[in-house]
Amino acid sequence: GQSLEQPSEVTAVEGAIVQINCTYQTSGFYGLSWYQQHDGGAPTFLSYNALDGLEETGRFSSFLSRSDSYGYLLLQELQMKDSASYFCAVDFNQGGKLIFGQGTELSVKP
Amino acid sequence: SAVISQKPSRDICQRGTSLTIQCQVDSQVTMMFWYRQQPGQSLTLIATANQGSEATYESGFVIDKFPISRPNLTFSTLTVSNMSPEDSSIYLCSVARDTSYEQYFGPGTRLTVT
Repeated sequence: GQSLEQPSEVTAVEGAIVQINCTYQTSGFYGLSWYQQHDGGAPTFLSYNALDGLEETGRFSSFLSRSDSYGYLLLQELQMKDSASYFCAVDFNQGGKLIFGQGTELSVKP
Repeated sequence: SAVISQKPSRDICQRGTSLTIQCQVDSQVTMMFWYRQQPGQSLTLIATANQGSEATYESGFVIDKFPISRPNLTFSTLTVSNMSPEDSSIYLCSVARDTSYEQYFGPGTRLTVT
C-alpha cells in the first residue's frame, strides 16, 4: 500500500521558520506535492518536487530525498495567515491522481 | 490555472436519499477527480472521472454507491446514493492538466446526512 506520514500538529511563532516533514512508504511515484488548506477552504498548491533536492518558491521551500523516503516543507518568516493545514501528496504521472498524507495543522502564534 | 465551481455548496439530506453534486470548470481539462474529506481529516480519492469512458474507482469505493458522469471536458457529476450518516463529509472535485503537476480544487460540497 501507499502511506504518507506527517506530524498531526505543529506550533510556531510569527517570524520563525518551521519545517513540516513527510515520510512515505510508497514507490514508483512521479513527484511529491504540498498543498495548503485553510479552514473551510479548498486546498491550494504550494510546491512540487519531481527530483531530489530543494525547490524554493518565495517564503516556501520543499525538499525531497527519494533514497531516504522523506520530504519536507519549509516555511520561513511565518505570518499569522500561514495558520492552516498542510498536506503532502504523491502522484504517479503528470496530471494524474494524488494520494494525500494525513495533514499537519500549523498554528502560528504572535 | 483553472476556476472550478461546485453545486450545491452544502446540503442536509435524509438517510436513504441520494444527492448529485456538480462540478464545472472554466476550461477543458482531461482529468477530473473526486475526493472526500471528513471533518479534520485528509483528502481521500474516490475516483477519476474520464471523459467518454467509465470512471476509475479507488479501493473502497464502488460505482453503485458513487456513480459518476463526465459528459464533456468541462463538467462532471458525483452522486452519493442511499446516503447514511457516515457519508457526511466534504466532497471536492479537482482538475489537472496533462502538462502540469498542479491540481486545482473546487470549493467543495459540505454534505450532512441525518
